[in-house]
Amino acid sequence: SAVISQKPSRDICQRGTSLTIQCQVDSQVTMMFWYRQQPGQSLTLIATANQGSEATYESGFVIDKFPISRPNLTFSTLTVSNMSPEDSSIYLCSVEEGSQNTIYFGEGSWLTVV
Amino acid sequence: GENVEQHPSTLSVQEGDSAVIKCTYSDSASNYFPWYKQELGKRPQLIIDIRSNVGEKKDQRIAVTLNKTAKHFSLHITETQPEDSAVYFCAATSAGRRALTFGSGTRLQVQP
Repeated sequence: SAVISQKPSRDICQRGTSLTIQCQVDSQVTMMFWYRQQPGQSLTLIATANQGSEATYESGFVIDKFPISRPNLTFSTLTVSNMSPEDSSIYLCSVEEGSQNTIYFGEGSWLTVV
Repeated sequence: GENVEQHPSTLSVQEGDSAVIKCTYSDSASNYFPWYKQELGKRPQLIIDIRSNVGEKKDQRIAVTLNKTAKHFSLHITETQPEDSAVYFCAATSAGRRALTFGSGTRLQVQP
């Protein structure tokens, strides 16, 4: 499977600030997704990152809060804007790859907002 | 949209016993059903998946069954070992949607 790298792996952020998470894949992939996993919870899809077009957001997530970039087929960023303690979560990048369109996850970015 | 329900939320078994986790889905268009294992502090790891053109798939001690008519699928782990202890998530998606919808997770604890 593709190697999916996320940066930062972990961070402590001040309330009201913004943080950009990077996701780098070692091969070209068409579909990239961003998920949030709140403490002790399941994974919730934030958006699908489409190369060359705007991201498609799920209900409850908006572009102003979670702007996403997808400049090419191997890279995407997710920004968490104007953070509050409720944004403390693991943010996971995932990609669809292979002939079977299997979905794999990056290591995650663990954000704590204080 | 798709809704995936997962049961039980916690499951404790003795080493060597079998464990079964069940999921139901709502969207009849869903045709891909993966299972992920997440250990504490780590990313979800794909352990097995099944597509709607088959009813059962096995990989060593792990098997998944799918009943399309009833819209449910299950994970079966036989001869459980302490290293099977983790949170397991089921998920579903369709060819049109591509993104996964996850169940709420099952915390499996295997007692030595």
